Amino acid sequence: AQSVTQLGSHVSVSEGALVLLRCNYSSSVPPYLFWYVQYPNQGLQLLLKYTSAATLVKGINGFEAEFKKSETSFHLTKPSAHMSDAAEYFCAVSLTGANNLFFGTGTRLTVIP
Amino acid sequence: KAGVTQTPRYLIKTRGQQVTLSCSPISGHRSVSWYQQTPGQGLQFLFEYFSETQRNKGNFPGRFSGRQFSNSRSEMNVSTLELGDSALYLCASSAWGAGAYEQYFGPGTRLTVT
Repeated sequence: AQSVTQLGSHVSVSEGALVLLRCNYSSSVPPYLFWYVQYPNQGLQLLLKYTSAATLVKGINGFEAEFKKSETSFHLTKPSAHMSDAAEYFCAVSLTGANNLFFGTGTRLTVIP
Repeated sequence: KAGVTQTPRYLIKTRGQQVTLSCSPISGHRSVSWYQQTPGQGLQFLFEYFSETQRNKGNFPGRFSGRQFSNSRSEMNVSTLELGDSALYLCASSAWGAGAYEQYFGPGTRLTVT
């Protein structure tokens, strides 16, 4: 079985500060991992994905994530937060790249001016 | 390319009624997945269709069903609506082949059951 745990349902950072959103996964086989962002009243937008290639994955809007097998983690980072980053972020896992994603409970990011 | 479109965007139904939601995938995409998003349960996978066949199914009761047409458009149906079915229903499409792992989501249909 596979699952995802996102630590911290709410994270607040100051504008310009480092963004770190945590995600740990559980999977019996090598997983495919994703980070999605959701703005109010919108669907989900893919930020980045890990599909067993490079462990450091760069995504859109300056976000990146590092796959650490030993820690079963896939944390999302951005060096400098921008006001437009305020949104809800979801980590997701799937097996063998199948199109049935298992999502974490989400982390709401607030950026303080 | 136009993105994933979902209709209607908002819907209000009464308990016991049934509802049909529609999803048009990105042109050329053959896989359509449906998800339910609620404050209590979060995002949960409902089912996936590929080439008019259900390929994967989540853990939802039989009241939830779907289908896919030859043009890849998909519909999902919920019969005998319950208050707990109030949710944002998201549709996602994916191509088949290289980059098949990437799903593109529509804006969702917000269903309110009263």
